Amino acid sequence: NAGVTQTPKFRVLKTGQSMTLLCAQDMNHEYMYWYRQDPGMGLRLIHYSVGEGTTAKGEVPDGYNVSRLKKQNFLLGLESAAPSQTSVYFCASSRTGHTNEQFFGPGTRLTVL
Amino acid sequence: SQKIEQNSEALNIQEGKTATLTCNYTNYSPAYLQWYRQDPGRGPVFLLLIRENEKEKRKERLKVTFDTTLKQSLFHITASQPADSATYLCALDGDNFNKFYFGSGTKLNVKP
Repeated sequence: NAGVTQTPKFRVLKTGQSMTLLCAQDMNHEYMYWYRQDPGMGLRLIHYSVGEGTTAKGEVPDGYNVSRLKKQNFLLGLESAAPSQTSVYFCASSRTGHTNEQFFGPGTRLTVL
Repeated sequence: SQKIEQNSEALNIQEGKTATLTCNYTNYSPAYLQWYRQDPGRGPVFLLLIRENEKEKRKERLKVTFDTTLKQSLFHITASQPADSATYLCALDGDNFNKFYFGSGTKLNVKP
């Protein structure tokens, strides 16, 4: 089992460019999450999904969109990147919600110039 | 506003001693609290979960306490080893059980 994988590992964008981050899990988990981690801020929830075809907003959803067309995949999109979106992005999955541990991917380091 | 506080200063201890990390929260009423370990350049890894009606939980050299009156969780590593050096994060479920809120973490350095 690969667990949770994220693509790409690194990316540099110019302001205004768009991109999609891909998260995949092979554990048949229902719940998936996208977080961003900034120095001194901890992990902040961007969007999450409680099952295929569902998405919901987290703490910091502005500037991001997500889709969960397949149970194993959770995509995070940036339509028009801004320097404030420079961060490390982590995807996570869990069997169900708060009673279960979250499994995290290795992260994507994104720099917006 | 809701807030989770972990000591931002690194905790430096000697090998073999017990490390104690603190997680304080305000304006939350979590039903569950989790602790994670994060190594540099990697995603967090789950360690322990404790429920609001549990006072204490243990797993090998790890112990977690959860005091809902003090709004505090303590995370202990006994007989610490240099391999325990990492950043430790606490996470709470918020008003929506599908959401998690993380503290910023405390870095632990265990010196041989």
